[in-house]
Amino acid sequence: GESVGLHLPTLSVQEGDNSIINCAYSNSASDYFIWYKQESGKGPQFIIDIRSNMDKRQGQRVTVLLNKTVKHLSLQIAATQPGDSAVYFCAENLSQAGTALIFGKGTTLSVSS
Amino acid sequence: GAVVSQHPSRVICKSGTSVKIECRSLDFQATTMFWYRQFPKQSLMLMATSNEGSKATYEQGVEKDKFLINHASLTLSTLTVTSAHPEDSSFYICSAGEGWNTEAFFGQGTRLTVV
Repeated sequence: GESVGLHLPTLSVQEGDNSIINCAYSNSASDYFIWYKQESGKGPQFIIDIRSNMDKRQGQRVTVLLNKTVKHLSLQIAATQPGDSAVYFCAENLSQAGTALIFGKGTTLSVSS
Repeated sequence: GAVVSQHPSRVICKSGTSVKIECRSLDFQATTMFWYRQFPKQSLMLMATSNEGSKATYEQGVEKDKFLINHASLTLSTLTVTSAHPEDSSFYICSAGEGWNTEAFFGQGTRLTVV
Protein backbone atom coordinates (compact mmCIF):
# COMPACT_ATOMS: atom_id res chain seq x y z
CA GLY A 1 0.00 0.00 0.00
CA GLU A 2 0.95 3.64 -0.20
CA SER A 3 3.09 5.07 2.54
CA VAL A 4 2.84 8.67 1.43
CA GLY A 5 -0.35 10.67 1.29
CA LEU A 6 -1.52 14.22 0.80
CA HIS A 7 -3.91 16.16 2.98
CA LEU A 8 -5.97 17.92 0.32
CA PRO A 9 -6.89 16.67 -3.14
CA THR A 10 -7.45 20.16 -4.53
CA LEU A 11 -6.19 23.66 -3.85
CA SER A 12 -7.44 26.80 -5.56
CA VAL A 13 -5.52 30.05 -5.31
CA GLN A 14 -5.40 33.44 -6.97
CA GLU A 15 -2.48 34.43 -9.16
CA GLY A 16 0.19 36.06 -7.03
CA ASP A 17 -0.78 34.27 -3.84
CA ASN A 18 1.51 31.86 -2.07
CA SER A 19 0.51 28.18 -2.20
CA ILE A 20 1.21 25.53 0.38
CA ILE A 21 0.78 21.87 -0.47
CA ASN A 22 1.11 19.32 2.30
CA CYS A 23 2.11 15.70 2.48
CA ALA A 24 2.29 13.19 5.31
CA TYR A 25 4.49 10.13 5.10
CA SER A 26 4.37 7.08 7.28
CA ASN A 27 7.68 5.31 6.74
CA SER A 28 10.21 6.66 9.22
CA ALA A 29 12.97 4.81 7.32
CA SER A 30 12.52 7.07 4.28
CA ASP A 31 15.34 9.54 4.00
CA TYR A 32 14.89 11.19 0.62
CA PHE A 33 11.85 13.12 -0.55
CA ILE A 34 10.94 14.74 -3.83
CA TRP A 35 8.15 16.96 -5.06
CA TYR A 36 6.97 16.43 -8.61
CA LYS A 37 4.65 18.42 -10.84
CA GLN A 38 2.54 16.63 -13.39
CA GLU A 39 0.65 18.32 -16.17
CA SER A 40 -2.14 16.54 -17.98
CA GLY A 41 -0.91 13.74 -20.24
CA LYS A 42 2.72 14.15 -19.26
CA GLY A 43 5.20 12.42 -16.99
CA PRO A 44 6.14 13.89 -13.60
CA GLN A 45 8.54 16.80 -13.62
CA PHE A 46 11.07 17.26 -10.81
CA ILE A 47 10.56 20.36 -8.70
CA ILE A 48 12.71 20.05 -5.62
CA ASP A 49 14.11 17.42 -3.29
CA ILE A 50 15.25 17.21 0.30
CA ARG A 51 17.18 14.68 2.34
CA SER A 52 16.35 13.73 5.87
CA ASN A 53 19.38 15.51 7.31
CA MET A 54 17.79 18.83 6.33
CA ASP A 55 14.55 20.50 7.37
CA LYS A 56 14.32 23.16 4.70
CA ARG A 57 15.49 23.63 1.17
CA GLN A 58 14.82 26.49 -1.20
CA GLY A 59 14.70 26.66 -4.94
CA GLN A 60 13.45 29.24 -7.37
CA ARG A 61 10.04 30.31 -6.01
CA VAL A 62 9.70 26.98 -4.20
CA THR A 63 10.57 25.86 -0.70
CA VAL A 64 10.30 22.39 0.76
CA LEU A 65 9.97 21.87 4.49
CA LEU A 66 10.53 18.57 6.22
CA ASN A 67 9.37 17.81 9.74
CA LYS A 68 10.64 14.37 10.66
CA THR A 69 9.09 14.48 14.11
CA VAL A 70 5.57 14.37 12.70
CA LYS A 71 6.57 12.92 9.32
CA HIS A 72 5.29 15.87 7.37
CA LEU A 73 6.48 17.42 4.13
CA SER A 74 5.27 20.62 2.51
CA LEU A 75 5.84 22.49 -0.71
CA GLN A 76 5.52 26.25 -0.74
CA ILE A 77 5.18 28.07 -4.03
CA ALA A 78 5.68 31.83 -3.90
CA ALA A 79 3.78 34.19 -6.17
CA THR A 80 1.81 31.39 -7.77
CA GLN A 81 1.29 31.73 -11.51
CA PRO A 82 -1.28 30.19 -13.87
CA GLY A 83 1.50 28.04 -15.28
CA ASP A 84 1.83 26.41 -11.87
CA SER A 85 -1.58 24.78 -12.32
CA ALA A 86 -0.98 21.04 -12.27
CA VAL A 87 -1.10 18.02 -10.00
CA TYR A 88 1.63 17.92 -7.37
CA PHE A 89 2.92 14.70 -5.87
CA CYS A 90 5.30 14.10 -3.04
CA ALA A 91 7.39 10.96 -3.24
CA GLU A 92 9.64 9.17 -0.79
CA ASN A 93 12.56 6.87 -1.20
CA LEU A 94 14.16 4.47 1.20
CA SER A 95 17.89 4.72 1.63
CA GLN A 96 18.61 1.60 -0.37
CA ALA A 97 20.15 1.23 -3.79
CA GLY A 98 17.66 0.37 -6.49
CA THR A 99 14.53 1.20 -4.51
CA ALA A 100 11.72 2.97 -6.27
CA LEU A 101 10.00 6.18 -5.38
CA ILE A 102 6.64 5.76 -3.66
CA PHE A 103 4.11 8.42 -4.55
CA GLY A 104 1.37 10.06 -2.58
CA LYS A 105 -2.12 10.68 -3.92
CA GLY A 106 -1.56 14.12 -5.41
CA THR A 107 -2.96 17.61 -4.99
CA THR A 108 -4.48 19.45 -7.91
CA LEU A 109 -3.45 23.10 -7.83
CA SER A 110 -5.68 25.50 -9.74
CA VAL A 111 -4.49 29.07 -10.20
CA SER A 112 -6.94 31.66 -11.37
CA SER A 113 -6.02 35.02 -12.88
CA GLY B 1 19.11 17.19 -16.17
CA ALA B 2 19.18 13.66 -17.50
CA VAL B 3 16.70 12.62 -20.14
CA VAL B 4 14.46 9.59 -20.22
CA SER B 5 12.61 8.97 -23.44
CA GLN B 6 9.53 6.80 -23.68
CA HIS B 7 7.94 5.52 -26.87
CA PRO B 8 5.24 5.49 -28.08
CA SER B 9 3.46 8.36 -26.38
CA ARG B 10 0.07 7.05 -27.38
CA VAL B 11 -1.14 3.69 -28.68
CA ILE B 12 -4.49 2.14 -29.42
CA CYS B 13 -4.70 -1.61 -29.78
CA LYS B 14 -7.33 -4.30 -30.09
CA SER B 15 -8.20 -6.66 -27.27
CA GLY B 16 -6.03 -9.74 -27.27
CA THR B 17 -3.03 -8.15 -28.94
CA SER B 18 0.29 -7.23 -27.34
CA VAL B 19 1.86 -3.81 -27.05
CA LYS B 20 5.52 -2.96 -26.38
CA ILE B 21 6.56 0.25 -24.67
CA GLU B 22 10.18 1.37 -24.71
CA CYS B 23 12.01 3.40 -22.10
CA ARG B 24 15.46 4.78 -22.89
CA SER B 25 17.92 6.74 -20.82
CA LEU B 26 19.48 9.06 -23.40
CA ASP B 27 22.53 10.46 -21.67
CA PHE B 28 23.24 8.16 -18.77
CA GLN B 29 23.34 4.48 -17.95
CA ALA B 30 20.61 3.08 -15.78
CA THR B 31 21.15 -0.22 -14.03
CA THR B 32 17.65 0.05 -12.66
CA MET B 33 14.50 1.45 -14.22
CA PHE B 34 11.02 1.54 -12.81
CA TRP B 35 7.61 1.10 -14.41
CA TYR B 36 4.53 2.83 -13.06
CA ARG B 37 0.87 2.79 -14.03
CA GLN B 38 -1.47 5.70 -13.50
CA PHE B 39 -5.25 5.62 -13.80
CA PRO B 40 -7.21 8.85 -14.34
CA LYS B 41 -7.08 11.22 -11.39
CA GLN B 42 -4.97 8.80 -9.39
CA SER B 43 -1.37 8.61 -8.31
CA LEU B 44 1.46 6.69 -9.86
CA MET B 45 1.48 3.07 -8.76
CA LEU B 46 4.73 1.15 -8.97
CA MET B 47 4.37 -1.95 -11.11
CA ALA B 48 7.89 -3.34 -11.26
CA THR B 49 11.58 -2.67 -10.93
CA SER B 50 13.54 -3.45 -14.05
CA ASN B 51 17.10 -4.66 -13.48
CA GLU B 52 19.66 -4.76 -16.27
CA GLY B 53 20.71 -8.29 -17.03
CA SER B 54 18.38 -9.97 -14.57
CA LYS B 55 14.70 -10.60 -13.93
CA ALA B 56 12.40 -7.77 -13.03
CA THR B 57 10.93 -7.48 -9.56
CA TYR B 58 7.16 -7.12 -9.61
CA GLU B 59 4.96 -5.48 -7.03
CA GLN B 60 2.26 -7.49 -5.34
CA GLY B 61 -0.75 -7.93 -7.54
CA VAL B 62 1.06 -7.25 -10.83
CA GLU B 63 1.05 -10.27 -13.15
CA LYS B 64 4.55 -10.89 -14.42
CA ASP B 65 3.29 -13.03 -17.31
CA LYS B 66 1.02 -10.26 -18.48
CA PHE B 67 3.45 -7.38 -18.09
CA LEU B 68 6.73 -8.62 -19.53
CA ILE B 69 9.77 -6.53 -18.74
CA ASN B 70 13.08 -6.78 -20.52
CA HIS B 71 16.12 -4.72 -19.52
CA ALA B 72 18.67 -5.90 -22.03
CA SER B 73 21.03 -2.95 -21.89
CA LEU B 74 21.98 -0.12 -19.57
CA THR B 75 19.94 2.34 -21.59
CA LEU B 76 16.80 0.43 -22.57
CA SER B 77 13.97 -1.25 -20.72
CA THR B 78 10.81 -2.49 -22.42
CA LEU B 79 7.38 -3.24 -21.03
CA THR B 80 5.16 -5.53 -23.09
CA VAL B 81 1.48 -5.72 -22.23
CA THR B 82 0.43 -9.14 -23.46
CA SER B 83 -3.10 -10.16 -24.44
CA ALA B 84 -4.30 -6.68 -23.66
CA HIS B 85 -7.81 -6.11 -22.29
CA PRO B 86 -9.77 -2.86 -21.97
CA GLU B 87 -9.02 -2.77 -18.22
CA ASP B 88 -5.32 -2.49 -19.11
CA SER B 89 -6.03 0.91 -20.60
CA SER B 90 -3.98 3.34 -18.57
CA PHE B 91 -1.06 5.75 -18.57
CA TYR B 92 2.23 3.88 -18.25
CA ILE B 93 5.32 5.78 -17.11
CA CYS B 94 8.93 4.71 -16.72
CA SER B 95 11.65 6.29 -14.65
CA ALA B 96 15.37 5.96 -14.16
CA GLY B 97 18.05 7.62 -12.08
CA GLU B 98 21.76 8.06 -12.30
CA GLY B 99 22.35 6.62 -8.89
CA TRP B 100 20.61 5.52 -5.78
CA ASN B 101 18.87 7.97 -3.51
CA THR B 102 18.96 10.62 -6.21
CA GLU B 103 16.42 12.35 -8.37
CA ALA B 104 14.52 10.03 -10.67
CA PHE B 105 13.81 11.18 -14.20
CA PHE B 106 10.57 10.23 -15.85
CA GLY B 107 9.61 9.45 -19.38
CA GLN B 108 6.81 11.30 -21.10
CA GLY B 109 4.41 8.44 -20.46
CA THR B 110 2.45 6.17 -22.79
CA ARG B 111 -1.31 6.41 -23.05
CA LEU B 112 -2.55 2.90 -23.82
CA THR B 113 -6.12 2.42 -24.99
CA VAL B 114 -7.37 -1.11 -25.55
CA VAL B 115 -10.53 -1.36 -27.65
